[in-house]
This record gives sequence, C-alpha cells and structure tokens, in this order.
Amino acid sequence: EAGVTQSPTHLIKTRGQQATLRCSPISGHTSVYWYQQALGLGLQFLLWYDEGEERNRGNFPPRFSGRQFPNYSSELNVNALELEDSALYLCASRGARYEQFFGPGTRLTVL
Amino acid sequence: EDQVTQSPEALRLQEGESSSLNCSYTVSGLRGLFWYRQDPGKGPEFLFTLYSAGEEKEKERLKATLTKKESFLHITAPKPEDSATYLCAVQAISSNTGKLIFGQGTTLQVKP
Repeated sequence: EAGVTQSPTHLIKTRGQQATLRCSPISGHTSVYWYQQALGLGLQFLLWYDEGEERNRGNFPPRFSGRQFPNYSSELNVNALELEDSALYLCASRGARYEQFFGPGTRLTVL
Repeated sequence: EDQVTQSPEALRLQEGESSSLNCSYTVSGLRGLFWYRQDPGKGPEFLFTLYSAGEEKEKERLKATLTKKESFLHITAPKPEDSATYLCAVQAISSNTGKLIFGQGTTLQVKP
C-alpha cells in the first residue's frame, strides 16, 4: 500500500512570491492535515481538510490556504511569502483509529 | 490548554545501553497518544498509538507505556540505527479537529 506522497521535495522562492505544495493521502483516507515544522520548533497544525471541505485551521494568517480535490488529494498555498515561512511542510492522512501517517515533507526555503 | 512536554531534549547512549524517554501531557480528555520517529529532513514515521492508561505496545526494541499523566518510550539494547528524534503527540477528545499536539521531541544518538 502506497504511503502519503508530497511534491515537490524542495522549493526555493523569494519574498513576496507564492508557493504551492501538493499532497496525496493513503488510498481510502479522506482526511488530510497540514503541519509546519520550522527549525527549532515543533510541528504546528496548519489546516485540516475532510471530504473536500476545510474543517479547521491553526493559528496561521490567511495567506496560508489550500483545498482538497474530489480524489482527496490536497494543495497548500502560501501567498506573499516571508522569510519566516521557511520550514518543512508536512502532510498527513488520518487512519481509522485517529492515527496520522505523514508524507516525506516539502522543504520550503524563502530567500 | 492542552500541552505535551518531552524529556530529555537530547540523549546519548552507547550501543546496548537501555533507557527511557518521557512524554508528559495535559489534555482535556485523551483520545489517543501517539509516538513517532523522525529522521533529519524526513517526515515522522508512525510507531504506536496508546488509548488508555495501563496500555502497552511493543515493536522490536521499543516499548511504549501510558499512565494518566505521561507516557514512556523504553528502548532496550539500542543500536546505532535507532538514532533519530522521537516525537510524542496527543489528540484531545474535546478537539473536533483531530489535530495532533506535539512535544518538542527527544533526539537520541546511539554510539557504536
């Protein structure tokens, strides 16, 4: 069974640009979570999508947004990039007993 | 406020030297406590879920236990390949989001 996949692996942008990150959950999973892991900080909850709808968001500004497609894959968009947005962005899909399975992450670097 | 604290921040062991990692939590009703292993620059790898006090789970050299206030990850006779950051996370029953609240992690280094 294939795990959670994310693309791209690395992304380099400059301040003010937009970044788009993609995630495909494990087959059969409908819930997708996004987390940010900045250097020296723990994983912080960003967004939750389920059945195509945004269900909840963490304490992040509105320039962090996303969507979930009918096939349950998801996209995270970060607008007006700032230097402090540099981080590892992790996507997870939720199993039947609340456990979350993570993808390999996208390393976003903002110059 | 739901919170997770892990200790120690870093742990150095000799190969074969057993030890334990601690995860203390405060949560308004525990739905589940999760352990993950994370290698540098990679996504966390799921290890265990514990749901109620007294529960134990084992996998190879790892054993996780749970009480009402904390969880331990016991590492028996570790090998260099066990070197990684171990993350603990909780999910609250009161949370209708299902989000995980993570601790800062314990970075384990096992020397041959």
